[in-house]
Amino acid sequence: KAGVTQTPRYLIKTRGQQVTLSCSPISGHRSVSWYQQTPGQGLQFLFEYFSETQRNKGNFPGRFSGRQFSNSRSEMNVSTLELGDSALYLCASSYQGANTGELFFGEGSRLTVL
Amino acid sequence: QKEVEQDPGPLSVPEGAIVSLNCTYSNSAFQYFMWYRQYSRKGPELLMYTYSSGNKEDGRFTAQVDKSSKYISLFIRDSQPSDSATYLCAMSARGSTLGRLYFGRGTQLTVWP
Repeated sequence: KAGVTQTPRYLIKTRGQQVTLSCSPISGHRSVSWYQQTPGQGLQFLFEYFSETQRNKGNFPGRFSGRQFSNSRSEMNVSTLELGDSALYLCASSYQGANTGELFFGEGSRLTVL
Repeated sequence: QKEVEQDPGPLSVPEGAIVSLNCTYSNSAFQYFMWYRQYSRKGPELLMYTYSSGNKEDGRFTAQVDKSSKYISLFIRDSQPSDSATYLCAMSARGSTLGRLYFGRGTQLTVWP
């Protein structure tokens, strides 16, 4: 069974640019969440999608957005990049109906903003 | 103050030692408590899951939850070099959506042979 796949794994951008990250969840999983991981703040929740609807959103500015497609794949976009957006962006999927905390994480997309 | 506090370490122990990792939290609504392990350049993977208070054991790992003190622990017995990783505590509240977890910053553990 394939795991959560995130692309690209590494990318370098400059301030003011925008970036789109992609996530393919485990087959059958309809919930996709996104987290930002930095050494200083740890993992911080960005947003969660379920059946193409955003169900929950963390405390991030509007420059951070996302969407989910009918096949459960998800993308997140960060516009007008800032130096502080440099981080590991993790996508996680989970199975519907089980609030067990068992999120399955991808290996992340490491974004560096210069 | 963050809702979940975790000492980032680093923690360095010899092989065979008992390791104790801890988190405190402030939100009394948290009902589900988890420990994730994250190897370098990998995503976190779920180690232990506990609902409400009590203990749970799985092989060399034991998770404890004390809701009265808002304190959770993970014990690793007979630690191995392969246990070297960052350990993240996480929790969620009853009724919250599936993907919304609150994480500690993680404790970096090194087990040396």
